[in-house]
Amino acid sequence: QVTLRESGPALVKPTQTLTLTCTFSGFSLNTRGMCVSWIRQPPGKALEWLAIIDWDDDKYYSTSLKTRLTISNDTSKNQVVLTMTNMDPVDTATYYCARTSSRGPGFIMTFDYWGQGTLVTVSS
Amino acid sequence: DIQMTQSPSSLSASVGDRVTITCRTSQSINKYLNWYQQKPGKAPRLLIYAASSLQSGVPSRFSGSGSGTDFTLTISSLQPEDFATYYCQQSYSTLYTFGQGTKLEIK
Repeated sequence: QVTLRESGPALVKPTQTLTLTCTFSGFSLNTRGMCVSWIRQPPGKALEWLAIIDWDDDKYYSTSLKTRLTISNDTSKNQVVLTMTNMDPVDTATYYCARTSSRGPGFIMTFDYWGQGTLVTVSS
Repeated sequence: DIQMTQSPSSLSASVGDRVTITCRTSQSINKYLNWYQQKPGKAPRLLIYAASSLQSGVPSRFSGSGSGTDFTLTISSLQPEDFATYYCQQSYSTLYTFGQGTKLEIK
């Protein structure tokens, strides 16, 4: 059974650095084809993909946020960590982690399992 | 980055209706297109992958089609539990992007 759970602060101040942890079970990031992504959703708005880390420790970031994001994994703990620097009120959102794996003969990547999300509010 | 445009942004329909949601991409993505359903306060759920393949456990009233830049999600006969927001998402580029969402409401 695949599960993911996000954890981190509910409130951060502007200019601070946000650190979120995704703790997962039911799969291994050492398995070829397995990845974990972070995705966020401001209140009442659309989903926005942020970052991904794969089984080979390759990392990719959103073009608009890449200077502020760092993704890393601790395979011994089955955890993926996202840090976002210089937080601003516009970064207020629910942050999700999602298992990202391939489907079908075309190996199309999908977000097939999601955590329940964690709401992060940026306010002084 | 690949831009995704969904239409309509919102849609009112009745139980039993057939509805279609469209997603257009800014460049050709072959069939690297997925659809998700999100209910209020919940995480999204994968419905369709590779444009037309039904994810395990998803009812067969959901179907997807398209390739290149134009895609559709169809619900053949709306059920009460289908009222939600739907998102398309491209996996052609590792810089994944989502559409802006289509909110499906009860008429």
